[in-house]
Order: sequence, then structure tokens, then C-alpha cells
Amino acid sequence: DAMVIQNPRYQVTQFGKPVTLSCSQTLNHNVMYWYQQKSSQAPKLLFHYYDKDFNNEADTPDNFQSRRPNTSFCFLDIRSPGLGDAAMYLCATSIHLGQGAGNEQFFGPGTRLTVL
Amino acid sequence: KNEVEQSPQNLTAQEGEFITINCSYSVGISALHWLQQHPGGGIVSLFMLSSGKKKHGRLIATINIQEKHSSLHITASHPRDSAVYICAVVGTDKLIFGTGTRLQVFP
Repeated sequence: DAMVIQNPRYQVTQFGKPVTLSCSQTLNHNVMYWYQQKSSQAPKLLFHYYDKDFNNEADTPDNFQSRRPNTSFCFLDIRSPGLGDAAMYLCATSIHLGQGAGNEQFFGPGTRLTVL
Repeated sequence: KNEVEQSPQNLTAQEGEFITINCSYSVGISALHWLQQHPGGGIVSLFMLSSGKKKHGRLIATINIQEKHSSLHITASHPRDSAVYICAVVGTDKLIFGTGTRLQVFP
């Protein structure tokens, strides 16, 4: 089945130790998103790729970086995780149909990050 | 005031009851998502709609673009329906999320 896969599902890291979260998709969608979701809050968009074009949200900290080496894979790098970065990280994909067109997003299962 | 408002925030029901969750938004949209998130879990897309009504199993979603309002209905609710239901509207290539409705269905 076509899907969005995130690895690992659970990640524990130490304060300040870099961590990389992975997202892959078999949907061949041209847009990939990374969201951060803290407990009892709505997901917050960190950045998205439209093909290889990277679009950073204005309030995304510099500590968060992303790479998209090809259509299928996208990585979230947290360079120096702080305690406040503990959250669920969600990857989503969509097909960009053009301005004004509704783009259904397909979500992965998420990676829960714990920072010790 | 949030651009996307949901009501109620919390909802409890007995198994078998008919459930309605409402979503109102104040921005122009091209489409609206209904999403489901189980405790500690990822997000599942239930529906995306831009007009009218969609049905999938026991779930029905409606939208009224003129009134900027959508509803999610669950018929014959079941304890496995217990989750947070999130309304999210498609703005300019971004989702704007509602505050979520936490549903608990008791046997």
C-alpha cells in the first residue's frame, strides 16, 4: 500500500546531542511537510518542500534543519535538542495541484522525541 | 480568536450514540480536512471536502461554504472511536488547524 513512513517511531536523545528523524513516502507526492506537535496542541508547521524548493516557516528555530535528497525521502535534523523540543514530529505529503486547489495531506504515524 | 474553531472541546458519549462535532472558520479556504488522532498516535486523514457531503462507513462529513461551517457525524459510536478529532482548513498551501475535539465513547 502507498503510504508515509516515519522512522524511528520513538527516539530518545540527550540534551544537545544531534538527532535525525526520517520520513519516506511511496505516494510520489511532490510536497513534503514537517510538523511539530506538543502535548494537547495542534500541529505546528516547521517547513515544507515543494519538490526541491525549501520553505521555512518564519518562526522555526535555526536549530531545526531539513534535507530532501530525492522525492521519496525527507529528513528532519535537530542540531542541538533542548528539553523544549520534546514533541511528536509528524511528516505529511501532498500533491500540489496549483494555487487555490485543495491539497489533501497524508500523514505519517509520527516520531515521538524524548530529550533527557 | 482562532481562525478555525471547533465545538465542543470535549465530548463523552455512550456506545451507540449519534455524535456531531462542529467546525467554523473565518478565512477563505479551498478545502477542509477532518483528521483523527488517537492518544499518543499519529494523524489519520478521515475526509477532505470542498463542498457538499462525504460518507465513509459510519462517518459523515458535511460542509457549507457560504456559512463557513462543517460538521463531522459519527453514527452508532463505538469505544474505538475515542480519539481527538481535528478540523483543518486548507489556506494558501498550508493547513490551519482547529483546536480539536476530544471524544470519549464509553461501553
